[in-house]
Amino acid sequence: GDSVTQMEGPVTLSEEAFLTINCTYTATGYPSLFWYVQYPGEGLQLLLKATKADDKGSNKGFEATYRKETTSFHLEKGSVQVSDSAVYFCALSDAGGTSYGKLTFGQGTILTVHP
Amino acid sequence: NAGVTQTPKFRVLKTGQSMTLLCAQDMNHEYMYWYRQDPGMGLRLIHYSVGEGTTAKGEVPDGYNVSRLKKQNFLLGLESAAPSQTSVYFCASSSGGRTEAFFGQGTRLTVV
Repeated sequence: GDSVTQMEGPVTLSEEAFLTINCTYTATGYPSLFWYVQYPGEGLQLLLKATKADDKGSNKGFEATYRKETTSFHLEKGSVQVSDSAVYFCALSDAGGTSYGKLTFGQGTILTVHP
Repeated sequence: NAGVTQTPKFRVLKTGQSMTLLCAQDMNHEYMYWYRQDPGMGLRLIHYSVGEGTTAKGEVPDGYNVSRLKKQNFLLGLESAAPSQTSVYFCASSSGGRTEAFFGQGTRLTVV
C-alpha cells in the first residue's frame, strides 16, 4: 500500500536558519503530494501541494518539488521565523479512481524555532 | 467562513461509555473523513464517506461506527470506549481527487 516517510524530529533551529524536512513516498501511479502544517491547538491546514512530477509548490516562503525519480517531496525554507514553529506533515493522495481523496500521512515533524 | 466544525473539542470518557463526535462542513463537499492522530504515527484514516448515505472503512475502523444522513454532516460513534481510543480526532472534507482536504480543529478524547 501507499506510505509516506518523514525525517524524524524534533527539529530545533534558530531564527533565520535554513530549513529542510525530508519526505519520501511509496505509491502506485502518480499521486498528488501535500505538506500540511498544524499550529499549536489547531487543526491541519494546507501549506502547499504538487500534483505532477517536477511541479513546485510554494507558499509563505516554503517550497517543495515533486521528484518522481527519487520519490521525494522535501520541504524547504530559506529563513525560518519563530512563527513557523509547528508540526509539519507530508501526505499523499492517490489519484486513482477509487482513492476518493483519502490521504496517507507521514508521522509528522515537530519544528521549534528559537529567537 | 466556518469551513469544518467539530464538536465537542474536549471529552473525557470512562471505559465502556459511548459518545458521538459531530462534524459539519459548509463547503458542499461530497467527501468526508475521520482521522485519528497519535504521537509519532501521523494521522490515520478511520472511516470515510463519498456522499450522503454512504460510508466506508479506512485503515483503523475497529471500535468505531459512522453515519452520513445529511451531506453536510458526518458523525463518528464510539459504542464502548477503550483506553486505546484516547487520541485526537480530526474530521476533514474535500471535493476529492487531487484537491486539498479541509480539516476541523480536532476533538481531544481521553478514555480512562
